[in-house]
Amino acid sequence: GENVEQHPSTLSVQEGDSAVIKCTYSDSASNYFPWYKQELGKGPQLIIDIRSNVGEKKDQRIAVTLNKTAKHFSLHITETQPEDSAVYFCAASTLGGASKLTFGTGTRLQVTL
Amino acid sequence: DAGVIQSPRHEVTEMGQEVTLRCKPISGHNSLFWYRQTMMRGLELLIYFNNNVPIDDSGMPEDRFSAKMPNASFSTLKIQPSEPRDSAVYFCASSFRDASDEQYFGPGTRLTVT
Repeated sequence: GENVEQHPSTLSVQEGDSAVIKCTYSDSASNYFPWYKQELGKGPQLIIDIRSNVGEKKDQRIAVTLNKTAKHFSLHITETQPEDSAVYFCAASTLGGASKLTFGTGTRLQVTL
Repeated sequence: DAGVIQSPRHEVTEMGQEVTLRCKPISGHNSLFWYRQTMMRGLELLIYFNNNVPIDDSGMPEDRFSAKMPNASFSTLKIQPSEPRDSAVYFCASSFRDASDEQYFGPGTRLTVT
């Protein structure tokens, strides 16, 4: 089955700096890669996703890049703000049918003033 | 829409007792997922329903765990008998189509088994 590894497990950045979280996956058939943000006491919430037919996707301050050859994808947050502090999870799956999401182990991001 | 609704939000029970967690997915969503989150194992998929039918239950840890979805608006996750190692936060999520659609998570049930 799919195995998703995520690094780093914790990340501290100063407000205004950029943050990068990286994930690798094992199943070359995977073609859907979402990122979820989990705030304290809440369930994860989708913030951005990318499908294998594109190499990069951007939504305001967040962007995701995908390298299918190397089987890794990354989340980039620019101009970080205190409200970006949360746990971020990457995930991978194959589109459609019975495929399920396999989550990474999470990155705790702390944005300091 | 109220989002995915889970109850109870917190449950404390003694080892050996039966625990039932409840979930109401978003209306119109066709897939429902039960996840377990712990510090050690992260976020694990327990079971996935599509159109009320279990599609993948390979994540259900053992026979003590069972899940049902009697209709499109309700699902339960039951643990009988419960053990201290079952202590975790259990999330229910739903999506419009399948696992590759955006999954909307509920607030979770924090289960403590003493």
